[in-house]
Amino acid sequence: VQLVESGGGVVQPGESLRLSCAASGFTFSGYTMDWVRQAPGKGLEWVAVISYDGRHKFSADSVKGRFTISRDNSENSLYLQMNSLRAEDTAVYYCARGGFGEVYSHMDVWGKGTAVTVSS
Amino acid sequence: AIQMTQSPASFSASTGDRVTITCRASQDVSSYLAWYQQKPGKAPKVLIYAASTLQSGVPSRFSGSGSGTDFTLTISRLQSEDFATYYCQQYYNYPFTFGPGTTVDIK
Repeated sequence: VQLVESGGGVVQPGESLRLSCAASGFTFSGYTMDWVRQAPGKGLEWVAVISYDGRHKFSADSVKGRFTISRDNSENSLYLQMNSLRAEDTAVYYCARGGFGEVYSHMDVWGKGTAVTVSS
Repeated sequence: AIQMTQSPASFSASTGDRVTITCRASQDVSSYLAWYQQKPGKAPKVLIYAASTLQSGVPSRFSGSGSGTDFTLTISRLQSEDFATYYCQQYYNYPFTFGPGTTVDIK
């Protein structure tokens, strides 16, 4: 069971970035998936979740209207489209597995994270 | 959003100590509470879910209790590999929220 994030980098304020998470070793299409971030030296902040079938999505107020979570079950992949990036979005972004067919669940598998830096 | 608080924010302990960390939710989250351990530069790892269920593969020296708004994580006998930061998280309602973390370091 593995999650591998990619797509992080350094961008300027106002720019966009798309993060990806490749899943393997489990039935991806059956699980809710989350994004969680951690700013340098700070705690964990939940960002967004998507149901196993992609029909239900929720996001944190801090990213609502700017970030969009999506998934491609045929590719076993999770995505986070981040637009209008701000300095405060600078963080390591983790992909995490939620529940099987359940949107209200803890996160039991985590990727190693991908770093996003927003700076002019 | 449901606010999560933890106490203490940090403390020093010795190998073999019994350690208790407290987490409080600003409103009832039933048993929809998880505990995670994170070491520097690493991803979080779930220890406990549903307030008191031990995640598969996690040593039995870790235990969780509580329901409603008050929860505790206990490490019965601290081992060297347990020095880390611990976070509680509610998944009762969106947005999911984490506590600010409790760092356990070596005395």
